[in-house]
Amino acid sequence: EVQLVESGGALVQPGGSLRLSCAASGFTFSSSWMTWVRQAPGKGLEWVANIKQDGSEKYYVDSVKGRFTISRDNAKNSLYLQMNSLRAEDTAVYYCAGGSGWGYWGQGTLVTVSS
Amino acid sequence: QSVLTQPPSTSGTPGQRVTISCSGSSSNIGGNSVYWYQQLPGTAPKLLIYRDNQRPSGVPDRFSGSKSGTSASLAISGLRSEDEADYYCATWDDSLSGWVFGGGTKLTVL
Repeated sequence: EVQLVESGGALVQPGGSLRLSCAASGFTFSSSWMTWVRQAPGKGLEWVANIKQDGSEKYYVDSVKGRFTISRDNAKNSLYLQMNSLRAEDTAVYYCAGGSGWGYWGQGTLVTVSS
Repeated sequence: QSVLTQPPSTSGTPGQRVTISCSGSSSNIGGNSVYWYQQLPGTAPKLLIYRDNQRPSGVPDRFSGSKSGTSASLAISGLRSEDEADYYCATWDDSLSGWVFGGGTKLTVL
């Protein structure tokens, strides 16, 4: 059974940092592009970042460039999102997704940026 | 404002056929595959259609996708109450060097 389990979401003050993790199992993680997608409360889906199988290519949405860093550890079947200089508008549920066409999704982890 | 344009809402009655449109440009839909996701209330998105018109295993053939030029469509036939959800289209945008989603369409089954 394929599982993606996100963790690390929390309440953080503006300007703060947070590291999200996504533990994968049930599929060949090392062969899959991986992605972070977020959803602000009551809003639609927004792609945040993705990373190639070997980590050699990374792409980010403009609003997080220079503040967020996506990374992965294929030995641990894990995906990460380091988030710095957090803003109120980063408040959202963060999903990790992978597999062909993003066929696999986690349950999401809530990040709240507020003072 | 989303790069891909979807109608905010649509509705239908059980058994009916509904379509959801997704309009883009040559830098996204016009040159790349389109994906469709279904998000039931309070749950994570689920892949419905990949590569414009392919269904993952387990997705009923009531769901179908198509693309023409810079627009794509998701059709749902034999509408059922459990189809009530938000639907999103997505694709890669060459100009932005990133993935883009449509704003989402809320489907109500009357």
